[in-house]
Amino acid sequence: DQQVKQNSPSLSVQEGRISILNCDYTNSMFDYFLWYKKYPAEGPTFLISISSIKDKNEDGRFTVFLNKSAKHLSLHIVPSQPGDSAVYFCAARGTTSGTYKYIFGTGTRLKVLA
Amino acid sequence: EPEVTQTPSHQVTQMGQEVILRCVPISNHLYFYWYRQILGQKVEFLVSFYNNEISEKSEIFDDQFSVERPDGSNFTLKIRSTKLEDSAMYFCASSIRGGNEKLFFGSGTQLSVL
Repeated sequence: DQQVKQNSPSLSVQEGRISILNCDYTNSMFDYFLWYKKYPAEGPTFLISISSIKDKNEDGRFTVFLNKSAKHLSLHIVPSQPGDSAVYFCAARGTTSGTYKYIFGTGTRLKVLA
Repeated sequence: EPEVTQTPSHQVTQMGQEVILRCVPISNHLYFYWYRQILGQKVEFLVSFYNNEISEKSEIFDDQFSVERPDGSNFTLKIRSTKLEDSAMYFCASSIRGGNEKLFFGSGTQLSVL
C-alpha cells in the first residue's frame, strides 16, 4: 500500500535552472509533510517541511507547495546547483491519528548538470 | 551540530545469526525510531520508541525484532535470527518531540545477510 508516491525515479536539470520534484499521497489524514535529501552512504537530511494549514513554505532556494485537494506536494529548488544532486524523499504523517511514524516515498534522484 | 551516530557502518552476518545495531540519538531528544531501506526501495518505518517503550511498530517489526534503550544514551535494534530479506540499510532517527517534528537520521548501518 503505497500511500506516498514519487512517480519520477530520476530528474536531470541544468545548473541554474529550476528543479521541481513531485510527490502524491493518498491518505487524506496526512497533514504534515517533510522533504529529505540523501547522499550516498549518508542518512537522510531534513530540508523543509509544510503543515496542511499552509499551501507554501519557503526556505532560501527551497520552496514546498501543497495542494490538499489534489493530495499533491512539490519541492522547487531555484537555482539548482551541482551540490543539490542527491535522492530526494518526501514523507508524510497524520498527526490527528496519533501516529508518530512518517511514511516515505520511493525517492527521486536529482542530477544537476554543470 | 549534534548528530545521531550509528555503529557499525557495515555488518555482515550469516543467516540465522543474531545482530545488534547500535545508535546514539541526540542527547535531548525523547523519541527514537528505526527505519530501513532495502536497496532501490523506499525508506520504511520499523518502530518508534518513547518513554522506554514501543509507541508504534510496523508489520515488518515482528517477533524477530526488538529494541532497547539499555542506558541513557544508546538505542539498539536486535534481530534475533536474521533472514536474507533483512539485508538493508538500517537508519536510526530521533526527534525532540513526537508531534510535528523533523527527524534527525544517522548515517545508517548496512546489514548484509549471507
